[in-house]
Amino acid sequence: EAQVTQNPRYLITVTGKKLTVTCSQNMNHEYMSWYRQDPGLGLRQIYYSMNVEVTDKGDVPEGYKVSRKEKRNFPLILESPSPNQTSLYFCASSLSLRVEYEQYFGPGTRLTVT
Amino acid sequence: GQQLNQSPQSMFIQEGEDVSMNCTSSSIFNTWLWYKQEPGEGPVLLIALYKAGELTSNGRLTAQFGITRKDSFLNISASIPSDVGIYFCAGVNTDKLIFGTGTRLQVFP
Repeated sequence: EAQVTQNPRYLITVTGKKLTVTCSQNMNHEYMSWYRQDPGLGLRQIYYSMNVEVTDKGDVPEGYKVSRKEKRNFPLILESPSPNQTSLYFCASSLSLRVEYEQYFGPGTRLTVT
Repeated sequence: GQQLNQSPQSMFIQEGEDVSMNCTSSSIFNTWLWYKQEPGEGPVLLIALYKAGELTSNGRLTAQFGITRKDSFLNISASIPSDVGIYFCAGVNTDKLIFGTGTRLQVFP
């Protein structure tokens, strides 16, 4: 089954404790991205990747890192999480950078930073 | 970063009613997309619009790409309980996808 998976689905952590949210897709998609969703603000792009070893900043990259060492995986790293990073995070992938190709979203990761 | 204005923010309607929502921007977009997000899941693409003035249907859903290329509209006819969710518009500009703030739809039987 074609899908985007994220882990963990729920995470509660403390300020400053490094964490990684994994994202994996099985559709051989080139383009992957991370979004955060906050009430009243919709989805905002954090980082995106056009292919292996190619990443770029989205609208809200501060406090986040990503890597794309393999085509299927695109982990999101928070080196020193802060409470303002409490949010719902979505990973998405699509066939190519051209967004006419449908983006498939993962189920989301709800992160709480205390 | 840029965001799209979506209205209304929320709607509470009775089953069988028609629904209209819209999305506006100060910028021109080349493509408009409409997504639906159900509780506990990621957004799913409903309709894609590629040309100004285009009107596209997907079952009971109809969306239009505004003539000015700065807005888009989504209509749902004869709503049913499973239409509940958050509907997002998204505009595409030079391969960047920008989402609206969402319209939360609640349908009562």
